[in-house]
Amino acid sequence: GAGVSQSPSNKVTEKGKDVELRCDPISGHTALYWYRQRLGQGLEFLIYFQGNSAPDKSGLPSDRFSAERTGESVSTLTIQRTQQEDSAVYLCASTLFGGVDNEQFFGPGTRLTVL
Amino acid sequence: EDQVTQSPEALRLQEGESSSLNCSYTVSGLRGLFWYRQDPGKGPEFLFTLYSAGEEKEKERLKATLTKKESFLHITAPKPEDSATYLCAVQVRGSTLGRLYFGRGTQLTVWP
Repeated sequence: GAGVSQSPSNKVTEKGKDVELRCDPISGHTALYWYRQRLGQGLEFLIYFQGNSAPDKSGLPSDRFSAERTGESVSTLTIQRTQQEDSAVYLCASTLFGGVDNEQFFGPGTRLTVL
Repeated sequence: EDQVTQSPEALRLQEGESSSLNCSYTVSGLRGLFWYRQDPGKGPEFLFTLYSAGEEKEKERLKATLTKKESFLHITAPKPEDSATYLCAVQVRGSTLGRLYFGRGTQLTVWP
């Protein structure tokens, strides 16, 4: 497929468990972003990768959240000791800077529910 | 603090009834303003990028305009398939490259 993919599409977990969310960006896109969308809220920026480096992690809500990117491709967002307030849709986007529109291409998201 | 505010929160239109969605922004320096469409259970889909006041872009029944303080998304003669949540976002000069600041969206319902 040519688009951004994310897995799993849905994740239900118990409070206190760790979860891993995966993002496969569009091939060749060097920039990758994670956003969180809570019910009734706008998308919130979490972290930005350029290549495998994360120059901006300022949106990560707490030290329970971490992310990595390997091979300038796949990225994983890990949430440790999940809390109910972590329930949200987690969206990944990728882009290749220099285009006319400079648009980000979003994946379908992972809906996380913490019981 | 940079802010993006969209109005109305929800809009119901009859098919063929034209209207506009508003996005007002307060940022230190606008690098670009983006409109996305989001269908339930899906990620946002790119519509337009606007860079400077006075700029306009069109796509089918949609037309986006930009002033120094706000953007409008005009929907002409909407159809039921235009029903979706429309998101506005900005990129800010001096901020992380490409980082988007989103409004909460306008949920549009077009009924036949």
